[in-house]
Amino acid sequence: QQPVQSPQAVILREGEDAVINCSSSKALYSVHWYRQKHGEAPVFLMILLKGGEQKGHDKISASFNEKKQQSSLYLTASQLSYSGTYFCGTESNNAGNMLTFGGGTRLMVKP
Amino acid sequence: KAGVTQTPRYLIKTRGQQVTLSCSPISGHRSVSWYQQTPGQGLQFLFEYFSETQRNKGNFPGRFSGRQFSNSRSEMNVSTLELGDSALYLCASSLAGTGREKLFFGSGTQLSVL
Repeated sequence: QQPVQSPQAVILREGEDAVINCSSSKALYSVHWYRQKHGEAPVFLMILLKGGEQKGHDKISASFNEKKQQSSLYLTASQLSYSGTYFCGTESNNAGNMLTFGGGTRLMVKP
Repeated sequence: KAGVTQTPRYLIKTRGQQVTLSCSPISGHRSVSWYQQTPGQGLQFLFEYFSETQRNKGNFPGRFSGRQFSNSRSEMNVSTLELGDSALYLCASSLAGTGREKLFFGSGTQLSVL
């Protein structure tokens, strides 16, 4: 079953913050986050593993609550380059690369 | 280091035909997985190969098949094409295929079935 992402779309002004949520009904081993710009390949942002760790990467960070099977991606002081579609991918079978991706969140950052 | 290469970039076929898509992973990567991306369904997992063996398979009909060669290059084949098979097919490679390492995606093959 596909994880549920929310919101489906968000429009920001440069410098504003955003949170994208990813929720699964299955027990998870890891959560991946990718960003895809129009006409391009998805690009890796970060992986969160069981243990509830929070990871950061420039002004983009994420958390993973394994008890709730939820992950959140935090975009701080957004830049125009942050525009794109964000996907979370969840791993629940502990048997190799078999990610189940959410439906995506379209983010548009305006000047 | 070269990225993941997928060929062809675009493909137009008619219903009932067969198609083969190719994916060359990053050198040294042994896991190759395939995804179908459509506007309505998002990214759907097709299958994953590791060291020439299919390790995981998604919920797609038997018309979708794949294989991996000893140099880790992978192909996927779709037989008896249907209109609903029109999609962007993405492959992704990773070093060891643990599920806990980042995937490197190719730019995809855009398949249109008429």
